[in-house]
Amino acid sequence: GESVGLHLPTLSVQEGDNSIINCAYSNSASDYFIWYKQESGKGPQFIIDIRSNMDKRQGQRVTVLLNKTVKHLSLQIAATQPGDSAVYFCAEIGGFKTIFGAGTRLFVKA
Amino acid sequence: KAGVTQTPRYLIKTRGQQVTLSCSPISGHRSVSWYQQTPGQGLQFLFEYFSETQRNKGNFPGRFSGRQFSNSRSEMNVSTLELGDSALYLCASSSQNPGTSAGEQYFGPGTRLTVT
Repeated sequence: GESVGLHLPTLSVQEGDNSIINCAYSNSASDYFIWYKQESGKGPQFIIDIRSNMDKRQGQRVTVLLNKTVKHLSLQIAATQPGDSAVYFCAEIGGFKTIFGAGTRLFVKA
Repeated sequence: KAGVTQTPRYLIKTRGQQVTLSCSPISGHRSVSWYQQTPGQGLQFLFEYFSETQRNKGNFPGRFSGRQFSNSRSEMNVSTLELGDSALYLCASSSQNPGTSAGEQYFGPGTRLTVT
């Protein structure tokens, strides 16, 4: 499959544990944030989004937290499964432009 | 609905050549964005098209260009290829007008370009 970043920060978790992936964004004027998951050989896949007027949003097994004071975004994955192993990117959107973070590789140990 | 499709999936070119990559967005989506993904630089925005107009452009040299057709299909072209252009080129489509909100982007599988 495709190699998505050979030198990414890596998070290794035990199956069943919760995972927290962090992201610092750069533009305080960004008004929309998205978390993507990218598996080997595939394009990024939307997981969850949050607007800048919110500080928390929950999906199925995932929660995104937004702290605008420190320009920080986190993705929490509950009961992490082997299928969650992938590279996770945060993206900030302002105007017409989307800027992606460097990504974090998540390894799930069975 | 069919997803975003990109052709070709793999391509090998030599330095100095030019290449054209194609992207077909999800039916009904009018916004198409292109990204370059490399291990060292991550995902970098190339440009975005909406209704055949380039709405925004990233910080890439003029060798990188694109266009969008009336059916929303898009192409990107790279001229005078360099070794550093080797990358995965991703296309993403969105249904929403980026001027109002970014909207959720749906990515294609990418075209893996290798320049030798």
